[in-house]
Amino acid sequence: DGGITQSPKYLFRKEGQNVTLSCEQNLNHDAMYWYRQDPGQGLRLIYYSQIVNDFQKGDIAEGYSVSREKKESFPLTVTSAQKNPTAFYLCASSIRGDSYNEQFFGPGTRLTVL
Amino acid sequence: AQKVTQAQTEISVVEKEDVTLDCVYETRDTTYYLFWYKQPPSGELVFLIRRNSFDEQNEISGRYSWNFQKSTSSFNFTITASQVVDSAVYFCALSETRDDKIIFGKGTRLHILP
Repeated sequence: DGGITQSPKYLFRKEGQNVTLSCEQNLNHDAMYWYRQDPGQGLRLIYYSQIVNDFQKGDIAEGYSVSREKKESFPLTVTSAQKNPTAFYLCASSIRGDSYNEQFFGPGTRLTVL
Repeated sequence: AQKVTQAQTEISVVEKEDVTLDCVYETRDTTYYLFWYKQPPSGELVFLIRRNSFDEQNEISGRYSWNFQKSTSSFNFTITASQVVDSAVYFCALSETRDDKIIFGKGTRLHILP
């Protein structure tokens, strides 16, 4: 089945540790996105990538880093510089990174920093 | 300024009632796209509909219908004869052609009571 996978579903980390969230898609989509969702805040864009080896900051990129070495993979690292990392993280992809195409979402990773 | 406003934070209705979710947007573009997504308790957002700014025809898909009115910058979503499975968070979103990002509203949490 084609789709987007995110792992793990739940992640617990100690404060001050970096953690990497996985996102893989087999839809052959060019564009990939990372969002953060907090209660009552909707979705906020962290980073996005329209092609391999290129990515742009979204609205809340501070404390996060990404890489796009392969078309199907877009991992997100939550660094110790992120002041409040506990949240629900959603990865998405679209055929192309233009305004027309809808985004397809993964099941999300719930990160809790203790 | 908030570009997509979903004023209803949470709505509860009894099963089989009709319910309308409001969405008001703000843009200076003449060409743009509007979307609705559903987020069930599992967490994964599901694409429901896309509407471009030049097509003001209302759309019906089964029990779902959408009313797009440029004059009031609104793109409302109605569920007819609601069912418990409709319980979810619903997001309205805007994509402008001058930008490759989708802007999400904060969502409306819909409870369908049996």
